[in-house]
Amino acid sequence: NAGVTQTPKFQVLKTGQSMTLQCAQDMNHNSMYWYRQDPGMGLRLIYYSASEGTTDKGEVPNGYNVSRLNKREFSLRLESAAPSQTSVYFCASRVRFRGRQDEKLFFGSGTQLSVL
Amino acid sequence: KNQVEQSPQSLIILEGKNCTLQCNYTVSPFSNLRWYKQDTGRGPVSLTIMTFSENTKSNGRYTATLDADTKQSSLHITASQLSDSASYICVVSYGNNRLAFGKGNQVVVIP
Repeated sequence: NAGVTQTPKFQVLKTGQSMTLQCAQDMNHNSMYWYRQDPGMGLRLIYYSASEGTTDKGEVPNGYNVSRLNKREFSLRLESAAPSQTSVYFCASRVRFRGRQDEKLFFGSGTQLSVL
Repeated sequence: KNQVEQSPQSLIILEGKNCTLQCNYTVSPFSNLRWYKQDTGRGPVSLTIMTFSENTKSNGRYTATLDADTKQSSLHITASQLSDSASYICVVSYGNNRLAFGKGNQVVVIP
């Protein structure tokens, strides 16, 4: 049971290049999330998928696209990378029960992305 | 204005000492509040959850409190260890499964 797996762990891009960050979870969770974390800003939601087949914008979606490939996998794509997208990216998953209080986020180990 | 405010932003404490981290929130309707611990270079991991009816909950040397009336929570670390050096993030669940994140308390424990 690996939990949430993100790849790659590190990536350096040139401005204008594209790339896809991969995320997979093996906990059969309904919801998956992509966050970015910048110094002094905390975690900010980029996109989320409440269930397989649905995706929604979060707080900072500009410059990103996502795909919920199946229940396990949720990818984040940068079509034309910009220096402002230099950040640490975290994927997370969460099981959702109506009225349950034990639901929580499970995070991957993060991707350190630098855009030059 | 941030919906979840944490203080202090950072602190340095001596090994073996206690410290208390604060989280104030404004979101509603409140569902629950979680404290996460984030080690350097890792993703956050849940420490404890506080629901509306709970005032105090302990997880080893970590004790969380919640005052839902004043919308305040605290995380107390007892007899700190070097491994407690991390960022502690307060996350409030509210409304229709929405989440609001604090920016974190950066704790550094020195020998």
